Amino acid sequence: NAGVMQNPRHLVRRRGQEARLRCSPMKGHSHVYWYRQLPEEGLKFMVYLQKENIIDESGMPKERFSAEFPKEGPSILRIQQVVRGDSAAYFCASSPLRGENTEAFFGQGTRLTVV
Amino acid sequence: KQEVTQIPAALSVPEGENLVLNCSFTDSAIYNLQWFRQDPGKGLTSLLLIQSSQREQTSGRLNASLDKSSGRSTLYIAASQPGDSATYLCAALPDKLIFGTGTRLQVFP
Repeated sequence: NAGVMQNPRHLVRRRGQEARLRCSPMKGHSHVYWYRQLPEEGLKFMVYLQKENIIDESGMPKERFSAEFPKEGPSILRIQQVVRGDSAAYFCASSPLRGENTEAFFGQGTRLTVV
Repeated sequence: KQEVTQIPAALSVPEGENLVLNCSFTDSAIYNLQWFRQDPGKGLTSLLLIQSSQREQTSGRLNASLDKSSGRSTLYIAASQPGDSATYLCAALPDKLIFGTGTRLQVFP
């Protein structure tokens, strides 16, 4: 059973381009969480999704950022018109359940650099 | 709003010492408390999960306790080794994981 897979591991984009980050949860996991980690800072919650539904997007910037978790395929975090301040490590986590007994497993992250 | 704090922010100790890392959270209405390890430039590795109905969990040299009423969790590392050097993060799960800022641990030979 492979772990949470994120790709690409490293992504370089010029200002104004779009960044698409992919996350394949562990097999059997239907809950996906995205987090952002700025250099020398902690992990900040961005969005929580179940298959085809956004459950909580309270941590998502209001503009340029969107996320989806389709019925088939990976979850996608999309950043339009990237700016330097978007440079960070983006982590995805998955879990099989919500609530007690929910152990979250993280991917290795995608490190986005905006030049 | 749940807030998670970790103390100390950094710790440097010689090999062999027993360590205590502290985590406090403001809202006791949590499902779980999970401890992670993060190596530089890497992802997060889950160390221990304590459910709200439990008081502690153990894995090898690691022991984590949870006191919901006081909003505290403690990670105890016995007989520390240089390979334990990493950042340790605790996260409380109300409906999503809320992370502390971590304790950066360095164990020197």
